[in-house]
Amino acid sequence: AQSVTQPDIHITVSEGASLELRCNYSYGATPYLFWYVQSPGQGLQLLLKYFSGDTLVQGIKGFEAEFKRSQSSFNLRKPSVHWSDAAEYFCAVGETYKYIFGTGTRLKVLA
Amino acid sequence: DGGITQSPKYLFRKEGQNVTLSCEQNLNHDAMYWYRQDPGQGLRLIYYSQIVNDFQKGDIAEGYSVSREKKESFPLTVTSAQKNPTAFYLCASSVGGNQPQHFGDGTRLSIL
Repeated sequence: AQSVTQPDIHITVSEGASLELRCNYSYGATPYLFWYVQSPGQGLQLLLKYFSGDTLVQGIKGFEAEFKRSQSSFNLRKPSVHWSDAAEYFCAVGETYKYIFGTGTRLKVLA
Repeated sequence: DGGITQSPKYLFRKEGQNVTLSCEQNLNHDAMYWYRQDPGQGLRLIYYSQIVNDFQKGDIAEGYSVSREKKESFPLTVTSAQKNPTAFYLCASSVGGNQPQHFGDGTRLSIL
């Protein structure tokens, strides 16, 4: 069955520290891959996407993600976290209209 | 600025009542979507529409209905058949089926 797993429900990091959020998927073919961010009570904002080509993709707000086909992973990274990055992050995979979203990772940033 | 507008932001429903959530986009996108978000469960697809006058059921369509009479509008009706309607509802749109989805700010539905 197709699925997306975000193993970490909550992550806490100090401001200025590096960040890695994990995303693993199970899918028949190589799907389209996305990371979104959601602030409380708001909609989702696209951080970055992977369709094909270079496996390291750059997004907005200093985020990047690396697609690793052998590990079926698409982990999100940021070298130095800012307090404003505190939010919930969702990984999504799929193809043609129907995407599967992970259950999210809530990021807390300590001052 | 182009975007997706969902209204109202908060909505309350009485038992046995149908309610309609509004979603309007001015992005000129062909595709539109409705998701339900519950704590700890991520987003689940209710319905999606590839084009005007066409829509398909998603994973949890029971108790919901939609229409797509105009390109910019995709209202969702939560019927009395939906026994657990309390949730955060998100509308999205995309240029096409394999493009990123743009989201509205959501409507929170609660039962009185």
